[in-house]
Amino acid sequence: AQTVTQSQPEMSVQEAETVTLSCTYDTSESDYYLFWYKQPPSRQMILVIRQEAYKQQNATENRFSVNFQKAAKSFSLKISDSQLGDAAMYFCAYRSGSGGGADGLTFGKGTHLIIQP
Amino acid sequence: ETGVTQTPRHLVMGMTNKKSLKCEQHLGHNAMYWYKQSAKKPLELMFVYSLEERVENNSVPSRFSPECPNSSHLFLHLHTLQPEDSALYLCASSQEFRRVYNEQFFGPGTRLTVL
Repeated sequence: AQTVTQSQPEMSVQEAETVTLSCTYDTSESDYYLFWYKQPPSRQMILVIRQEAYKQQNATENRFSVNFQKAAKSFSLKISDSQLGDAAMYFCAYRSGSGGGADGLTFGKGTHLIIQP
Repeated sequence: ETGVTQTPRHLVMGMTNKKSLKCEQHLGHNAMYWYKQSAKKPLELMFVYSLEERVENNSVPSRFSPECPNSSHLFLHLHTLQPEDSALYLCASSQEFRRVYNEQFFGPGTRLTVL
């Protein structure tokens, strides 16, 4: 079974600065997807960024980028120019790519990100 | 309404009650999911439905009973729950094709408290 580990229960960053959230995972599969989801206090979980394991290039979405190290099974999220609206719980998630249909996500415990004004 | 909606948003029930959680997706998706989010624990996948058929049941106790009458609606029927079942229950949906993955869209959740 796959596992996802987020070793930072809480992180704090000054507004406009850069912060990196760490995530490691354990799998024996070679085909899979990795995700970062954000859950603001309103509780609606939304996708921040995703990475296909077969792609070597790191995914980027505006101020959000990942550092995907497949050999090390590491998938960190970098948030540049942090904004107050970035404050939330951030979850790293894994999904197998070998299934033929719908598959659920395996989540880490989450990192609570605090933005200091 | 747009996206994924869940009702009720909050539910308090006794251990002998029977209640149901409802999820509705307005995105034209063909797969739906139930997750349980407890304090201090990762989100746990409970059930997966694809094209209205259950494709995964993640060793969930039988006091939780899912139902998917059509591709837009998903229910979670609850009976004789335990206090440790208190959690946030999240519904999600996605559009699935063989070996092509699209993101899962989540609802706001139902906060369940079992007394």
